[in-house]
Amino acid sequence: EIVLTQSPATLSLSPGERATLSCGASQSVSSSYLAWYQQKPGLAPRLLIYDASSRATGIPDRFSGSGSGTDFTLTISRLEPEDFAVYYCQQYGSSPPYTFGQGTKLEIK
Amino acid sequence: EVQLVESGGGLVKPGGSLRLSCAASGFTFSSYSMNWVRQAPGKGLEWVSSISSSSSYIYYADSVKGRFTISRDNAKNSLYLQMNSLRAEDTAVYYCARDGALRPYGMDVWGQGTTVTVSS
Repeated sequence: EIVLTQSPATLSLSPGERATLSCGASQSVSSSYLAWYQQKPGLAPRLLIYDASSRATGIPDRFSGSGSGTDFTLTISRLEPEDFAVYYCQQYGSSPPYTFGQGTKLEIK
Repeated sequence: EVQLVESGGGLVKPGGSLRLSCAASGFTFSSYSMNWVRQAPGKGLEWVSSISSSSSYIYYADSVKGRFTISRDNAKNSLYLQMNSLRAEDTAVYYCARDGALRPYGMDVWGQGTTVTVSS
């Protein structure tokens, strides 16, 4: 089973700043099959990025993903007020389980 | 509109059973793999189970293997999760989520979730 570790657990930033969230895998994620999700309180998660760097439909271009192998990054170039939420990475590269990271809470400073 | 709507959650005693349903609309359900993902109160996301478009491939998390059964009825555009021998640690919001058609590419459509509470 691939274990995903996200860092930091909490990130405190101000609107307009750049956010960098990390996701490390315990073994290589095949074909860079890694996704990023955003979740706001009381709502279902929303797919932001798939295949490590492809934006999902309707996702603003301030969101970008990068990385391969065991190290992946989600970058939000200029934070908007609506971006403050919890972010999860998830791998779907190897056979299940399709594990999630424990999440990074992005909060307003 | 592409939509998933879960139902069937509720309060159940330890050892009991529950069957969750997920009704799909707005897309060709029979072409997509589907998943169940859960979230315990105040916790992160946990993948529970996956089923391929034709039910040929079925997978479970170790935490539910032998107790939960995923199934689908493509004629009814519906996904199911039969949960038996429920435990307190199964308490969570359960989401159904669409996966890829030809290959996995992340879960791009989610339902609103249904709450399962296991308590005496």
